[in-house]
Amino acid sequence: GAGVSQSPSNKVTEKGKDVELRCDPISGHTALYWYRQSLGQGLEFLIYFQGNSAPDKSGLPSDRFSAERTGGSVSTLTIQRTQQEDSAVYLCASSRPPSYTQYFGPGTRLTVL
Amino acid sequence: GQQLNQSPQSMFIQEGEDVSMNCTSSSIFNTWLWYKQDPGEGPVLLIALYKAGELTSNGRLTAQFGITRKDSFLNISASIPSDVGIYFCAGPRTGNQFYFGTGTSLTVIP
Repeated sequence: GAGVSQSPSNKVTEKGKDVELRCDPISGHTALYWYRQSLGQGLEFLIYFQGNSAPDKSGLPSDRFSAERTGGSVSTLTIQRTQQEDSAVYLCASSRPPSYTQYFGPGTRLTVL
Repeated sequence: GQQLNQSPQSMFIQEGEDVSMNCTSSSIFNTWLWYKQDPGEGPVLLIALYKAGELTSNGRLTAQFGITRKDSFLNISASIPSDVGIYFCAGPRTGNQFYFGTGTSLTVIP
């Protein structure tokens, strides 16, 4: 079956603009995660969705970041008024609890000029 | 906050050599996971460990769950060029959330 897909694969934007990043998880996976990976760094947890529960937003770095998950499937990560330090690869992953295995998408590379 | 530190940060080895890397935590974990990230791709799960002292193999990869539950080790035997990538350890934060380590970048020289 299809894996986790993310779009766009690359996004170049100007400082101050808003961007939307999309994640399509594996069908049937109730858990969805967003991570940020800066150049040469590890994965920084951003937000976690599980079923119909309230999302865990504790990893979002500022109020310019928000995410939604509609219908328990597709998720959108929105970054408002982008800054150069937002440049990174944004990775989405999904899993089917109780399994710990997270399946990652290929990521969206965001470059803020 | 929780920190997972990996060492070494990077490795350059000759094809055929064995590789060892480790991951340490400031807190106890009940589960350790090892992921590999190929260039331009998302991480892929290699091995999962669920019990202190557990030793698990997956082909040429062997991982161990440290007795103190604050560390884990990953070994790769007889490295090949396709082993190139970044290796991450991960441990559960709450529920199904995870902390990821800082990563070990592996380069295999043919």
